[in-house]
Amino acid sequence: GENVEQHPSTLSVQEGDSAVIKCTYSDSASNYFPWYKQELGKRPQLIIDIRSNVGEKKDQRIAVTLNKTAKHFSLHITETQPEDSAVYFCAAPRSNDYKLSFGAGTTVTVRA
Amino acid sequence: DTEVTQTPKHLVMGMTNKKSLKCEQHMGHRAMYWYKQKAKKPPELMFVYSYEKLSINESVPSRFSPECPNSSLLNLHLHALQPEDSALYLCASSHSTGELSEQFFGPGTRLTVL
Repeated sequence: GENVEQHPSTLSVQEGDSAVIKCTYSDSASNYFPWYKQELGKRPQLIIDIRSNVGEKKDQRIAVTLNKTAKHFSLHITETQPEDSAVYFCAAPRSNDYKLSFGAGTTVTVRA
Repeated sequence: DTEVTQTPKHLVMGMTNKKSLKCEQHMGHRAMYWYKQKAKKPPELMFVYSYEKLSINESVPSRFSPECPNSSLLNLHLHALQPEDSALYLCASSHSTGELSEQFFGPGTRLTVL
């Protein structure tokens, strides 16, 4: 099955600075990589995803980059704001049944 | 309707109780999922239904029993649970079971087993 590693486990940034979270995966056949944001007491929500036919995707202050050769993908948040504080999970599909395998999560705290 | 809904929001039960969690979606999605999530941990897959048939059971103990009455509803029946089963139970749905299909999560049921 797919093994997804996520780093760092916690990240504290000053408001306005950038935040970067990195994930590595093991299955070279994986070709869909979503990122979920989960605020305290709320449901996980998809914030951005990338498919293997592109190397980067942007949506306003959020971007995801994918390096298929190295088998890693990263989430970049620019101009961080207090409402960006949450737990972020990366995920990749398992090759045997295509179900999502999640990273361990990164707790992001944006200091005002 | 673009949401997955779950009831109840909170549930407290004793180890001898029988209760059920409910999940509903009206997006026409044909795959539905149950996840268990402990605090600050990622969701752990429990069950997957594809076209109303159970397609994946991640070796979940039999005290958890899923049911899919129709394409919009998913239930999780609970019986003789243990305190360590206390967690947030999330339901999710996706258009299909294919690997490129986004999963939409419900708000979850926060379960406490006494």
